[in-house]
Amino acid sequence: SQTIHQWPATLVQPVGSPLSLECTVEGTSNPNLYWYRQAAGRGLQLLFYSVGIGQISSEVPQNLSASRPQDRQFILSSKKLLLSDSGFYLCAWSKGANVLTFGAGSRLTVL
Amino acid sequence: SQQGEEDPQALSIQEGENATMNCSYKTSINNLQWYRQNSGRGLVHLILIRSNEREKHSGRLRVTLDTSKKSSSLLITASRAADTASYFCATDVSDSWGKLQFGAGTQVVVTP
Repeated sequence: SQTIHQWPATLVQPVGSPLSLECTVEGTSNPNLYWYRQAAGRGLQLLFYSVGIGQISSEVPQNLSASRPQDRQFILSSKKLLLSDSGFYLCAWSKGANVLTFGAGSRLTVL
Repeated sequence: SQQGEEDPQALSIQEGENATMNCSYKTSINNLQWYRQNSGRGLVHLILIRSNEREKHSGRLRVTLDTSKKSSSLLITASRAADTASYFCATDVSDSWGKLQFGAGTQVVVTP
């Protein structure tokens, strides 16, 4: 069966520090991978999606970047965090019918 | 702007009652999906309804889709305390294959 792992679960970082959130999928090959951000009490905003290694599409201009160094690994990064980067970050994968399977999420607080 | 908008934003009911929430969207879709999110957790897929379908059932869930009105509804029958969660609709937009657009969600509280 397929599983998705996302870490760290919580993170408190100072403004200007770097960020790395990691997501890995097991039990499938060549999945579509996604990073979403959820502000408190809001819906999900698609940040990045990837259909293959090294293929990253960005949905909104922002302070973040994404990379896919391996087929089932998706990384969200920032060189210098802003206060506005705080939020709940969700990694997800899909195949076929585009039903998303989400990770447990990473809560980022930038102080 | 968001593609999907859920209504109501919040819903409080007692166990055994039915919970109904609605979703409206703006552009044509391939399919519409409903997801559930427990507080502080990831989303879990509940049900998918395709653009050529009008109604779908899964256990205590019933979803309808009216493409002429660009709207969908999710009905949870005989609700339980464990149904307490936020519910989101997500649309698969025709020209954006594989990228779902989510609404802001309906927060449902079921009291025993």
